[in-house]
Amino acid sequence: EPEVTQTPSHQVTQMGQEVILRCVPISNHLYFYWYRQILGQKVEFLVSFYNNEISEKSEIFDDQFSVERPDGSNFTLKIRSTKLEDSAMYFCASTRGRGAGLNTGELFFGEGSRLTVL
Amino acid sequence: AQSVTQLDSHVSVSEGTPVLLRCNYSSSYSPSLFWYVQHPNKGLQLLLKYTSAATLVKGINGFEAEFKKSETSFHLTKPSAHMSDAAEYFCVVRSGGSQGNLIFGKGTKLSVKP
Repeated sequence: EPEVTQTPSHQVTQMGQEVILRCVPISNHLYFYWYRQILGQKVEFLVSFYNNEISEKSEIFDDQFSVERPDGSNFTLKIRSTKLEDSAMYFCASTRGRGAGLNTGELFFGEGSRLTVL
Repeated sequence: AQSVTQLDSHVSVSEGTPVLLRCNYSSSYSPSLFWYVQHPNKGLQLLLKYTSAATLVKGINGFEAEFKKSETSFHLTKPSAHMSDAAEYFCVVRSGGSQGNLIFGKGTKLSVKP
């Protein structure tokens, strides 16, 4: 069964360092997402991506964050200069897309990348 | 704006007894609602979804949920809990955005006692 894969599963970094989290969405999916979950808090939407551009982003997704689909398979989240409060589990998700029968709203999630900022 | 409220942060049941995880939603139009489960150190897995078809939705692992518009509820139930059901459960509503990203509830941690 196809699945969303994320790497690394856990990354520890120093405050101020750049971090790149990688995701390989399901191959025939067209919409890609990043969510995060700070320990003990809700899962929060960060950004959605379609047709090689950001389609929607939340207030959390400030200038320190960027997303990219550098090739046909990877979808990356970059945090330019990490802060302590960026420590969280980051989930990548994908869905097939819009149109009748294609998008029932179900997102397929990866297992997450745990980021710890010291 | 869409939102969901999970009424219990923690539910504890004995193995073999029924499970009820409560969720109320707020939406200005007919919502798409989901339940996701997160086992320890695992990703988010879809249990079931409601997208304006049948109001009683059956999901995986024996779970089901009933959409009740009059009560704005979408409670998750299972007749008989199993130890492997111990996990965190999230009630989720699809937002009104163009791609309809998901809005999560705070989650309910389900513990199952032997």
